Amino acid sequence: GDSVTQMEGPVTLSEEAFLTINCTYTATGYPSLFWYVQYPGEGLQLLLKATKADDKGSNKGFEATYRKETTSFHLEKGSVQVSDSAVYFCALSPGGYQKVTFGTGTKLQVIP
Amino acid sequence: DSGVTQTPKHLITATGQRVTLRCSPRSGDLSVYWYQQSLDQGLQFLIQYYNGEERAKGNILERFSAQQFPDLHSELNLSSLELGDSALYFCASSVDGASTDTQYFGPGTRLTVL
Repeated sequence: GDSVTQMEGPVTLSEEAFLTINCTYTATGYPSLFWYVQYPGEGLQLLLKATKADDKGSNKGFEATYRKETTSFHLEKGSVQVSDSAVYFCALSPGGYQKVTFGTGTKLQVIP
Repeated sequence: DSGVTQTPKHLITATGQRVTLRCSPRSGDLSVYWYQQSLDQGLQFLIQYYNGEERAKGNILERFSAQQFPDLHSELNLSSLELGDSALYFCASSVDGASTDTQYFGPGTRLTVL
């Protein structure tokens, strides 16, 4: 079945550091890929998405590129802020009306 | 604010009891999803409804049941509660339930079973 593997956290970075959170997936066909973010005490919210190979999703300075050859969708940000501290979830959608599969989440802590 | 509301925010109950969690989707959204988030299991998909009909089922226990009403709100019923059911329960909604839709999550209900 479909699966999403994220790097284990927590990830601790200093403010203005470069961020990479790795995400790889296993799926048949051509899934859509998502990053959701969960701030402390809140529900998840969509950060960005990509629906086909080589697409780049971007939002709030975050980017991720859909790489079919490496089955990856790594999340990057050039300069993190304290306000980026949250849990980040990679997710996969097989298409149609099938369920979305979420990764286990990666906690990011940014220190001043 | 996602537009999805969940009540109650917190719920504390005892083993063996039954509780009902309620969710109101965003205005215009026809599909509702339920998820369980625990420290050791991560985010687990439980069940999805679309316009009152069950559309997809995930890792939902037989002790749990859900429904979506004609006004599109949804309820998740948890019975014969066990300590291991303590978790955050999220509801999400989307426009028509396609898996490429953005899902909008509510703030969650924190269930503690003592």
